[in-house]
This record gives sequence, C-alpha cells and structure tokens, in this order.
Amino acid sequence: GENVEQHPSTLSVQEGDSAVIKCTYSDSASNYFPWYKQELGKRPQLIIDIRSNVGEKKDQRIAVTLNKTAKHFSLHITETQPEDSAVYFCAGGYQKVTFGIGTKLQVIP
Amino acid sequence: DTGVSQNPRHKITKRGQNVTFRCDPISEHNRLYWYRQTLGQGPEFLTYFQNEAQLEKSRLLSDRFSAERPKGSFSTLEIQRTEQGDSAMYLCASSRLSGTSLSEQFFGPGTRLTVL
Repeated sequence: GENVEQHPSTLSVQEGDSAVIKCTYSDSASNYFPWYKQELGKRPQLIIDIRSNVGEKKDQRIAVTLNKTAKHFSLHITETQPEDSAVYFCAGGYQKVTFGIGTKLQVIP
Repeated sequence: DTGVSQNPRHKITKRGQNVTFRCDPISEHNRLYWYRQTLGQGPEFLTYFQNEAQLEKSRLLSDRFSAERPKGSFSTLEIQRTEQGDSAMYLCASSRLSGTSLSEQFFGPGTRLTVL
C-alpha cells in the first residue's frame, strides 16, 4: 500500500516568514494529494489539494508543488500569520488516501 | 447542520466491553471513511465504504473491529472486547466520488474513546 512520509515534525517561523512542509510517497499510482489543517481540538479541514496532472497549484498565501518523478510534494505558506499555527497533514493515494504523520507549525508573533 | 456528525462524542468504557460508534455523513456523499487518530499522529486508515459496499479494511485492523453501512447512508463502527490500546479519537469522513477521482473528505468531530 501507499506510504506517505512527512517532515519536519515541528516547524517554528516568525510571523511574516514562509513555511515549507515536504512529503514523499511510495506508490506511483497515487494521483491525488490533499493537505489538511487541524487546529487543536478540532477536526481536519482541507486547505488545498493537487492532482497528478498538475505540477503546481496556488490559493492566496498557500501553494502546493508536485514532482511525480521524485514522488514528492510540498506545501508552501507565505506571509505566515499567527492563525496559521496548527498541525498540517499531507496525504496521497489513488483509491483512498494515506496521511502523513503531521507537522506542527508554530508562527511566532 | 449539514456536515458530518458522529455520536457519541465521548465514550468511556471498561476493558473487555463492546462499544459502537455512529457516523452520519453528508447526505449526497457516496464515500465514507473511518480513521483512528492518536496524539501526535495523522489519521490512520481503518476502513471505507462506497455506498453500502465495504471496499477495504486495514490489514492492521484487529478482527475485533467491524463496520457497517447498511443502506449506504449512516455507518457504525463496533469494537468488541475493548483493550486499553484502543483508546483514541475515531474520526469519520465522507466525500463524493466523481467517476474514479478522489475528492475532499469532510471530517466529523470524532468520537473520543477511553478504555479503562
């Protein structure tokens, strides 16, 4: 089955700086890669997703890139704000998705 | 509220007891997933349904776990003979499968299970 690895496990940035979270996947058949944000005590919510026929997707301060050859994809958050502090999960798959372990992002005001 | 709902929100049980959780997905969603999440980890896949058909169950899942989605609407997850290691947050999510393309999963609030 699919194996998704995510790093770093924790990330601290100053407000206004950029944050980058990286993930790798193992199954070349995977074609859907969502990113979820989970605030403390709340349910995961989708922030952006990308399909394998696209190399990059952007939504305001959030962007995701996908390298199918290397089997890795990354989340980029620019101009970070304190409300971006949360745990971020990458996921990937074909029939279903497998989640990464999560990255706890702390944005320091 | 038209989102995914789960009941109960919290369950405390003694080791060896059986527990059952319910998930009500978004009404037009044909896919329903069950996950388990422990502190500091991502959602761990347990099983999923497409309409009423259970298409996959995690190989890591004990036979004590069973799930149903009898009419393709709500789903139940039962854990028999609970163990302390079963303590976790159990999340349900639903999505609408379009053709063969996966799409956004909408998560419920979860059921937090504590096994004493």
